[in-house]
Amino acid sequence: EAGVTQFPSHSVIEKGQTVTLRCDPISGHDNLYWYRRVMGKEIKFLLHFVKESKQDESGMPNNRFLAERTGGTYSTLKVQPAELEDSGVYFCASSQKPSWTGELFFGEGSRLTVL
Amino acid sequence: SQQGEEDPQALSIQEGENATMNCSYKTSINNLQWYRQNSGRGLVHLILIRSNEREKHSGRLRVTLDTSKKSSSLLITASRAADTASYFCATVSSSGNTPLVFGKGTRLSVIA
Repeated sequence: EAGVTQFPSHSVIEKGQTVTLRCDPISGHDNLYWYRRVMGKEIKFLLHFVKESKQDESGMPNNRFLAERTGGTYSTLKVQPAELEDSGVYFCASSQKPSWTGELFFGEGSRLTVL
Repeated sequence: SQQGEEDPQALSIQEGENATMNCSYKTSINNLQWYRQNSGRGLVHLILIRSNEREKHSGRLRVTLDTSKKSSSLLITASRAADTASYFCATVSSSGNTPLVFGKGTRLSVIA
């Protein structure tokens, strides 16, 4: 069974540019999460999808971030325009049940560097 | 914030020794989970302990939970070089229906 896959693994962009990160969850997992880790800091929650609906987007930092999950399958996270403080590793995770009931399965992350 | 805070931030031990990492949190929880992250890889779930449990074992892992002190510990016995990784605790609020909240992690180095 394929795990959670994320693309790209690493992206380097200039401030003001746009980047789109993609996450393919494990097949059959209705719950999809985005987290971000800025170097040396905690892993912070961004948002939670249940199928195609946003269950909780309380962690999204501002309106430069847009997440979608078309058809309840893969998800994209777009940052437009990117700022220096957006640099970090963006993790996607999926699960059959919500995270408060059990484990999450994480992808390897997309490292974003904004110059 | 119910954010977990791991202690120490970094730990270096010899292969064969035991490694203990601690996690403190601030609010009431439903459960607490430990994850491992190898360098450049994703997080891997290790163990979940519920608020009404005090201790759980999984292989060489032993997790304890003290809800009165709002703390948990992860013990890895007979460590191996392959245990070198970052370890994170994550908490779920007792109010439920909330996402996992992670701490900053403990970086464990096991020297062969």
